[in-house]
Amino acid sequence: AQSVTQPDIHITVSEGASLELRCNYSYGATPYLFWYVQSPGQGLQLLLKYFSGDTLVQGIKGFEAEFKRSQSSFNLRKPSVHWSDAAEYFCAVGSIQTGANNLFFGTGTRLTVIP
Amino acid sequence: SAVISQKPSRDICQRGTSLTIQCQVDSQVTMMFWYRQQPGQSLTLIATANQGSEATYESGFVIDKFPISRPNLTFSTLTVSNMSPEDSSIYLCSVTSGRNTEAFFGQGTRLTVV
Repeated sequence: AQSVTQPDIHITVSEGASLELRCNYSYGATPYLFWYVQSPGQGLQLLLKYFSGDTLVQGIKGFEAEFKRSQSSFNLRKPSVHWSDAAEYFCAVGSIQTGANNLFFGTGTRLTVIP
Repeated sequence: SAVISQKPSRDICQRGTSLTIQCQVDSQVTMMFWYRQQPGQSLTLIATANQGSEATYESGFVIDKFPISRPNLTFSTLTVSNMSPEDSSIYLCSVTSGRNTEAFFGQGTRLTVV
């Protein structure tokens, strides 16, 4: 079965600084990869996804992520963080068989943005 | 995209009682799912709600504890039965249009059992 590790429980960055959130997965084949954001009291919103093709994917709100098969990673990046980016970020993986229909989530990274 | 409405958004329940959570989608969807997010934990899939047939439960979840209904392609309910404090979690409804699509989530139901 697949699994996801988000090594950073909590990250604090200054507004305007760059951001990278780490995600490592365990799966024997090419996974379906997702990043979601959860603001307080809100549901999960999809930032971006990778199924195949170009390993650098662009998402909403200026986020991007790069799939690196050799490192089993799918790190999320943003060049300049805004105060509104403060939220909980979840990386998720789906198998070839189930894709988005059965997602395994990491434990999340809470992002704090300071002025 | 799909807009998902969950009711209630939160509730505080007495142990031993049951709570039914509703999930309404603004369009017909192929797949509906229920996830649980325990405090400080990640999301875990409880079951797939199958339209017109019994739900498919993941390991560790059983129908007697989490009965699910899906009477049509836009609606599902999850019941948390005989609740204990360990059931205190956020329960989220999710939908997809197939494995090669994305999963949309409702805003969740925050359940506290006292």
